[in-house]
Amino acid sequence: SQKIEQNSEALNIQEGKTATLTCNYTNYSPAYLQWYRQDPGRGPVFLLLIRENEKEKRKERLKVTFDTTLKQSLFHITASQPADSATYLCALRNSGNTPLVFGKGTRLSVIA
Amino acid sequence: KAGVTQTPRYLIKTRGQQVTLSCSPISGHRSVSWYQQTPGQGLQFLFEYFSETQRNKGNFPGRFSGRQFSNSRSEMNVSTLELGDSALYLCASSLEGHFSYNEQFFGPGTRLTVL
Repeated sequence: SQKIEQNSEALNIQEGKTATLTCNYTNYSPAYLQWYRQDPGRGPVFLLLIRENEKEKRKERLKVTFDTTLKQSLFHITASQPADSATYLCALRNSGNTPLVFGKGTRLSVIA
Repeated sequence: KAGVTQTPRYLIKTRGQQVTLSCSPISGHRSVSWYQQTPGQGLQFLFEYFSETQRNKGNFPGRFSGRQFSNSRSEMNVSTLELGDSALYLCASSLEGHFSYNEQFFGPGTRLTVL
């Protein structure tokens, strides 16, 4: 069966450290993978997209890697701040006429 | 540009009733997707519409239905409500639905409580 697993339900880190979140998938052949941030009571907000032929993408303090052999994406937040505390969701879409599907998310808490 | 709007924001219904939720996408966006979010299951895909056509449907019972109008606004309907339908219902719009890399812009959601 198809699965998207974000293997940490919750992650606590100290301010200033790098947070690394993992997204693994099974039985998908994604054309691209996206990462979203969701704050309590709000809809998710798009952060980054990485295509199947890209290994790494960066945006300010954020970095995403995509390994189609390992079927895994890593999401990094460097120099983390308490304001980075939120739930982070990965999402992917197969090529062709398929919907965007989401993992259950990882709740990140950055402790000052 | 105004963001995605959803109405109502909060709704309380009783079992057996039906409900209609509304979503207005960002101007110019032709694709609208609906998701159900619960603490246990996360974000689960309900439907995707593009230019008034349902492009994809998730694994939900037939009590869940939707439609998209010519102005891209969308509605979803849940009939014969069950307690388990209590959730945050999120609508998202994007510029294009098919073979698109475009990100989805989410609305604030409608919090449905079924008593």
